[in-house]
Amino acid sequence: LAKTTQPISMDSYEGQEVNITCSHNNIATNDYITWYQQFPSQGPRFIIQGYKTKVTNEVASLFIPADRKSSTLSLPRVSLSDTAVYYCLVGNSGYSTLTFGKGTMLLVSP
Amino acid sequence: DTGVSQDPRHKITKRGQNVTFRCDPISEHNRLYWYRQTLGQGPEFLTYFQNEAQLEKSRLLSDRFSAERPKGSFSTLEIQRTEQGDSAMYLCASSLWTGGINGDEQYFGPGTRLTVT
Repeated sequence: LAKTTQPISMDSYEGQEVNITCSHNNIATNDYITWYQQFPSQGPRFIIQGYKTKVTNEVASLFIPADRKSSTLSLPRVSLSDTAVYYCLVGNSGYSTLTFGKGTMLLVSP
Repeated sequence: DTGVSQDPRHKITKRGQNVTFRCDPISEHNRLYWYRQTLGQGPEFLTYFQNEAQLEKSRLLSDRFSAERPKGSFSTLEIQRTEQGDSAMYLCASSLWTGGINGDEQYFGPGTRLTVT
């Protein structure tokens, strides 16, 4: 299973754009990249998923370079409520064992 | 609410007792997963079902742990002879697999927090 590396923590201010980068050097051809958000005492919440290039939804964008060895989650104009742990995972439905790392603790300040 | 639900939300038990947790997935989802999460760590995979078949079990799932999904709908996770090290949040997730190799989008429940005293 591909492993991921992401920063332990990041700080930002309200209204800023936040980019969290994840490296996954050993990503397999069939693997997708998925990001989850988790608030304290809640289960993780799916944010976005992609295979290559760029994916955008109503809450975030995901940038994946051609070599797919890294990806960047972009959160536009964060608010205090975006303070959470963000997990980057790689995998596919062929084997459904998701391997979570420790994630990135994002702290948004006023 | 049509999300994943788990019951109970909190459980306090004494060491050596048995506990059982229930998970109700999103109704049309055919895959169901169990994870365990301790403080400061990401969720750790325990096991997953596709319909009623248990397809994979982590080595974390000792013989004191058993999971079932008898009719391919809800699932139960039982821990026998609980130990203090079993104290954790137990998360359930579900997803819809339509065949082939693609991204697996899992929807998580709120979790059951187990405290073993």
